[in-house]
Amino acid sequence: GAVVSQHPSRVICKSGTSVKIECRSLDFQATTMFWYRQFPKQSLMLMATSNEGSKATYEQGVEKDKFLINHASLTLSTLTVTSAHPEDSSFYICSAGGGDLRGGHREETQYFGPGTRLLVL
Amino acid sequence: DQQVKQNSPSLSVQEGRISILNCDYTNSMFDYFLWYKKYPAEGPTFLISISSIKDKNEDGRFTVFLNKSAKHLSLHIVPSQPGDSAVYFCAASDGDKIIFGKGTRLHILP
Repeated sequence: GAVVSQHPSRVICKSGTSVKIECRSLDFQATTMFWYRQFPKQSLMLMATSNEGSKATYEQGVEKDKFLINHASLTLSTLTVTSAHPEDSSFYICSAGGGDLRGGHREETQYFGPGTRLLVL
Repeated sequence: DQQVKQNSPSLSVQEGRISILNCDYTNSMFDYFLWYKKYPAEGPTFLISISSIKDKNEDGRFTVFLNKSAKHLSLHIVPSQPGDSAVYFCAASDGDKIIFGKGTRLHILP
């Protein structure tokens, strides 16, 4: 089946630094990718929809200047947490779907990355 | 190896009847389970969850049942409505990571 990878899987950084998280669709092209944030024991919160070649669409309450999203190609979207603070510590997950998938998968099928755990000290 | 499995890729149910979506998991360390619903061209949205200390959680028309011994959970939707037609994802968490199933597409028939 289709695979979505995230890098890094775990990152620890100092307060005030910026962290970039990559989301890659390994064997298919993804015109749309989604970024989520999850706190322990809680559901995923959709942060933004990343569209290849255009600006991301952010959900209400998500600071677009703090969480920079770039979807430069059909296989890569990046989320940059700028000037990270301890309250940004969380589990970030991406998902990808759409595009020309192998095996005839439906456009609305979503594949989730394994997540990135961010800890800001 | 899939740790969370949704063995039915699609399901069709008559409007007004009960929809039952199933999910199996293999990792006994999972202690929290979630269901998500997804419409085409949109991201998944949270539907309902259950902790491993419970065997049932109900929210309106949606009920999730957990059978820990069988490592099986199910989502019941009753009565099914046309707006329930979507893809449903089961997910399991051990507190450190969250693993999603591949989804089941639910069609509600008029």
